[in-house]
Amino acid sequence: QKEVEQNSGPLSVPEGAIASLNCTYSDRGSQSFFWYRQYSGKSPELIMFIYSNGDKEDGRFTAQLNKASQYVSLLIRDSQPSDSATYLCAVIADSWGKLQFGAGTQVVVTP
Amino acid sequence: DTEVTQTPKHLVMGMTNKKSLKCEQHMGHRAMYWYKQKAKKPPELMFVYSYEKLSINESVPSRFSPECPNSSLLNLHLHALQPEDSALYLCASSRTTGNTEAFFGQGTRLTVV
Repeated sequence: QKEVEQNSGPLSVPEGAIASLNCTYSDRGSQSFFWYRQYSGKSPELIMFIYSNGDKEDGRFTAQLNKASQYVSLLIRDSQPSDSATYLCAVIADSWGKLQFGAGTQVVVTP
Repeated sequence: DTEVTQTPKHLVMGMTNKKSLKCEQHMGHRAMYWYKQKAKKPPELMFVYSYEKLSINESVPSRFSPECPNSSLLNLHLHALQPEDSALYLCASSRTTGNTEAFFGQGTRLTVV
């Protein structure tokens, strides 16, 4: 079974600070990595995807991928209370596009 | 537009009922998925359809029956469910199977009584 590991949190972050979320994966052959945000009672929303080593920035979000270390991270700059949610790391697990999710990290941004 | 629409948003059904969940996308995506999410757990894959053909069934009990009438629609037919089947049922789509981004619908909150 391919594994995706995340700290479950909660990760408490002061408003305006940087939230740093980490994810490791077990399948060295994985090529596609995703971050989904899920508010309580809602469905997952895709916020970032990354396929190549290095950094990818989109607004206040930066995804970082290190395939050699089998590690992907998400930074949220200038955190806002509206960023309070569970962040799910996901990896494509097979050729059919099956998403293997981590357990999710709950982020709480405190005013 | 990355919209996947699911109906109904909420469903309460008895163990002897038959009901259907519906999913629609108009993004031209050729891969569609059903996931199940229990409280405080991540989504788990149930079925994959690729070009309207069932490609993956993750050992899902036969009381769940998927159907893909055309490239835009995906249904999940429910029959003789158990209370433990209560969960958030999520439909997703992607351009194709493989290494592409998947977008989720808003889900159907199912309660089996």
